[in-house]
Amino acid sequence: DQQVKQNSPSLSVQEGRISILNCDYTNSMFDYFLWYKKYPAEGPTFLISISSIKDKNEDGRFTVFLNKSAKHLSLHIVPSQPGDSAVYFCAASKINDYKLSFGAGTTVTVRA
Amino acid sequence: DSGVTQTPKHLITATGQRVTLRCSPRSGDLSVYWYQQSLDQGLQFLIQYYNGEERAKGNILERFSAQQFPDLHSELNLSSLELGDSALYFCASSGGVGLGTEAFFGQGTRLTVV
Repeated sequence: DQQVKQNSPSLSVQEGRISILNCDYTNSMFDYFLWYKKYPAEGPTFLISISSIKDKNEDGRFTVFLNKSAKHLSLHIVPSQPGDSAVYFCAASKINDYKLSFGAGTTVTVRA
Repeated sequence: DSGVTQTPKHLITATGQRVTLRCSPRSGDLSVYWYQQSLDQGLQFLIQYYNGEERAKGNILERFSAQQFPDLHSELNLSSLELGDSALYFCASSGGVGLGTEAFFGQGTRLTVV
């Protein structure tokens, strides 16, 4: 049962433009959300997170937005850079729970 | 470098065989998590250990087992291997029991069953 869904398997964006990655979840008990970035032949690395008490969290070029009523979150990357080309996973958990539920990932390609 | 070490990086074995994947967590981290990533799939949670004790189980097959040792390293044992077990297996670690903060992942072990 996929509780976290990333419905866009891929995204292509021009360098300098905005990348918007979307993620939906079904479990209303989730209260902590994370984005991970994964390069080929490497493990996922933590990118940014947001707790359910916020609707926005920003870290440099990366901003995560949370819409709890819609059970939807998005990651904005502005401006996109070639080094951002990677697979991005959305993940969710309940604080003090023991596991992350991951989406299937979105492959981002930033074109020069 | 996440500080999480997984060995081996690659493993090729035949159906019906048994393999052991090893994970050394970041220094000081008490929790170890195992995840499986099959082709075109997201990361599927398998099992979590905290300070030597099993804490949570996900979609882990009965043919698979894991343990965490007193030095906090963990091993994932996969037996009676099938072609469908071919996947990337990731280990992650974090400091506490839960995942209110991020988990740090190793580079993974790519298992190929032939």
